[in-house]
Amino acid sequence: AQSVTQLDSQVPVFEEAPVELRCNYSSSVSVYLFWYVQYPNQGLQLLLKYLSGSTLVKGINGFEAEFNKSQTSFHLRKPSVHISDTAEYFCAVRLANAGGTSYGKLTFGQGTILTVHP
Amino acid sequence: NAGVTQTPKFQVLKTGQSMTLQCAQDMNHEYMSWYRQDPGMGLRLIHYSVGAGITDQGEVPNGYNVSRSTTEDFPLRLLSAAPSQTSVYFCASSYSRDSYNEQFFGPGTRLTVL
Repeated sequence: AQSVTQLDSQVPVFEEAPVELRCNYSSSVSVYLFWYVQYPNQGLQLLLKYLSGSTLVKGINGFEAEFNKSQTSFHLRKPSVHISDTAEYFCAVRLANAGGTSYGKLTFGQGTILTVHP
Repeated sequence: NAGVTQTPKFQVLKTGQSMTLQCAQDMNHEYMSWYRQDPGMGLRLIHYSVGAGITDQGEVPNGYNVSRSTTEDFPLRLLSAAPSQTSVYFCASSYSRDSYNEQFFGPGTRLTVL
């Protein structure tokens, strides 16, 4: 079974500073990787995804993530954050070739709350 | 398109009461699922459906029932609510069961069981 660990439950940063949110996964088979953002009192919105190809993936709102297969990581980065980036961020994985009870199942990490201070 | 809609937004129940959380999507998506979100635990899959008439259990199915009579609707039923079911519930859908498809999430239902 696959699992996801987000290494930081909370990350406080100042506006215009860079930020990295860390995500490690465990799976015995190939996976697809996703980052979702949840703004206060809202649903989840897809930031970016890695399916195959270039290991550096660019998403919305200036975020990017790098897939590192050897370290089984998919860390999310932004070079300069804004107040509006304050939200909870979730890393998630899906088996690339799912079948049976694993069909399409998204496995989420515990979430990282990013708080951007002025 | 309205996307994925959920009703109600908030609900308070007493222990033992039953209720149905509604979920609908207007994107003709084949795959639909229900998650619950609890602090520090991320989202956990309750039930999912790969098409009308086909449902299956996720990782935390106990206490919940689902059915899928149409492509558009995927209601979640709590038969006898318990305080442990206090949570935020999200419905999601994607075009197909294929894992590369993005899942679209509804706005959530915040449920409190007293």
